[in-house]
Amino acid sequence: GAGVSQSPSNKVTEKGKDVELRCDPISGHTALYWYRQRLGQGLEFLIYFQGNSAPDKSGLPSDRFSAERTGESVSTLTIQRTQQEDSAVYLCASSLGGLDEAFFGQGTRLTVV
Amino acid sequence: QKEVEQNSGPLSVPEGAIASLNCTYSDRGSQSFFWYRQYSGKSPELIMFIYSNGDKEDGRFTAQLNKASQYVSLLIRDSQPSDSATYLCAVNPHNTNAGKSTFGDGTTLTVKP
Repeated sequence: GAGVSQSPSNKVTEKGKDVELRCDPISGHTALYWYRQRLGQGLEFLIYFQGNSAPDKSGLPSDRFSAERTGESVSTLTIQRTQQEDSAVYLCASSLGGLDEAFFGQGTRLTVV
Repeated sequence: QKEVEQNSGPLSVPEGAIASLNCTYSDRGSQSFFWYRQYSGKSPELIMFIYSNGDKEDGRFTAQLNKASQYVSLLIRDSQPSDSATYLCAVNPHNTNAGKSTFGDGTTLTVKP
């Protein structure tokens, strides 16, 4: 596609439920990143995929968070047993890797009630 | 102390003036520095990056880096109302993986007509 696509754009879920967020990177981009942005704050790195290498999970805040990516295609971020503090915008970005610019998707706004 | 610090603002300047946005970082080993613009409700977009000490100019934008002082700034000349947005400073400790950066919380800029 022309840009990074994320779905859903908005998600309201009840506390304790699991949610799955999807990211479709720009075709040919080997690097994919997930960030979380709480209201009024900067971006918080969550996880990074580069090609077929083991992902860098150093930013995942707890074991309730996990992400997968098959090859250089779609990635899903799963949050289990959601908590109210998980409410945020989840942003996905992709790049060609290295120093190349990372392009962001429009994000998924998650609200846990 | 946050790894990347920015004044939250809001910073208000009249149209046509110079807007000066500042960022300090704590990791002395940081190698690459990015400025992103984020309009309300939108995803961040990269506007400038800088790796070497000194100034880098691109149109109305100038990034300034001083590694000894651990300080990076963004100047916007001839500010326009369309420049009104939140500006995020991002710092990367390595000269790779531009997308995996530490972000500040952003400075909100308002340019008044």
